[in-house]
Amino acid sequence: GAVVSQHPSRVICKSGTSVKIECRSLDFQATTMFWYRQFPKQSLMLMATSNEGSKATYEQGVEKDKFLINHASLTLSTLTVTSAHPEDSSFYICSARAWDRGNTIYFGEGSWLTVV
Amino acid sequence: GEDVEQSLFLSVREGDSSVINCTYTDSSSTYLYWYKQEPGAGLQLLTYIFSNMDMKQDQRLTVLLNKKDKHLSLRIADTQTGDSAIYFCAEKRMNRDDKIIFGKGTRLHILP
Repeated sequence: GAVVSQHPSRVICKSGTSVKIECRSLDFQATTMFWYRQFPKQSLMLMATSNEGSKATYEQGVEKDKFLINHASLTLSTLTVTSAHPEDSSFYICSARAWDRGNTIYFGEGSWLTVV
Repeated sequence: GEDVEQSLFLSVREGDSSVINCTYTDSSSTYLYWYKQEPGAGLQLLTYIFSNMDMKQDQRLTVLLNKKDKHLSLRIADTQTGDSAIYFCAEKRMNRDDKIIFGKGTRLHILP
């Protein structure tokens, strides 16, 4: 079946540094990917919609300069958390839409980010 | 409105049935999902139902959909300790680029 892979699954970074999370569709092409964030004991909040070859569409309240999204190919979208702060510590999860499979949405395993 | 609503906690005795309820607001929703998240883990898709269906059964899981009332439920028969997790209801909105909107999650606690 289809698989969406996220890397790294866990990462610890220092305050002020940037960290990149990758989301890959392994056996299908994804023109659209979505990035979510989950705060502790809360639901998953949609951050942005990533479209291949164009700028991401951010949800209200999400800082586009803080959370850089790049979708350079049909199988890869990246989320870069810039100048990370401890409050950016969270669970980030991506999903990808398989246009050739009835637009089915597949989720990655998620990435735990801890900023110290 | 934008919300997908579900109760935050549910306690059930081992062996009993668990019923987790969810309400949504968007009538354009095409698919409705139930995801399971265990502590420290990612999302696991449990089951889903297409909006033109009333019921779907998959082993111990039964999903009921009342489209008129925009109400979705997940019944877990013979609840086991391994069912202890957070269960998220989610809807896929066709008129919103297929975005999936999640509820806040229901934490299922299993009593011995």
